[in-house]
Amino acid sequence: NAGVMQNPRHLVRRRGQEARLRCSPVKGHSHVYWYRQLPEEGLKFMVYLQKENIIDESGMPKERFSAEFPKEGPSILRIQQVVRGDSAAYFCASSVSSGEKLFFGSGTQLSVL
Amino acid sequence: DQQVKQNSPSLSVQEGRISILNCDYTNSMFDYFLWYKKYPAEGPTFLISISSIKDKNEDGRFTVFLNKSAKHLSLHIVPSQPGDSAVYFCAASGLGGTSYGKLTFGQGTILTVHP
Repeated sequence: NAGVMQNPRHLVRRRGQEARLRCSPVKGHSHVYWYRQLPEEGLKFMVYLQKENIIDESGMPKERFSAEFPKEGPSILRIQQVVRGDSAAYFCASSVSSGEKLFFGSGTQLSVL
Repeated sequence: DQQVKQNSPSLSVQEGRISILNCDYTNSMFDYFLWYKKYPAEGPTFLISISSIKDKNEDGRFTVFLNKSAKHLSLHIVPSQPGDSAVYFCAASGLGGTSYGKLTFGQGTILTVHP
């Protein structure tokens, strides 16, 4: 399966802990996007990254959230000091270039106890 | 502020009949629209898209219609099949067909196709 790989599929954290979500894009794709889906809502854009660069983080909460896409390895979405409101499905998508079709991963379901 | 709205949370149709899913948007800067299909425990998969310079785009059983003056688009599936049962999301982009993937999604419509 050469699609977008996200892990873990399910992540349970207690309030105050850190959550690290990983995303490996489709081979050859250098553009990565993170979306969040809260219960009963549509997906909401969080951040757009290219290798080693954050292009657009206008959808990221100002505090506790960060994202990176290093030269080597997967993209990481990091949530520090998680709160119950962070419970959601987090989807990663990739594209071969800007403006091309997005391919989505299966998502990481984050549950904060 | 919900800029893309899918007002019908669910739709139920009989196999072989037409499914019509609707979507409204408020931001006139949107000029590229997409439909995604999502099965449980999977990510959304691209279905069909339309640029604002067109009013119709067809791909097999799927047709998307765009009414710019009404800021409304719809997805027609005919004939509907049980395998089409999924959540359908309407999405919009504000920077034209060359925009990067900063999409604004609707809330989704659950389509159930009965055999």
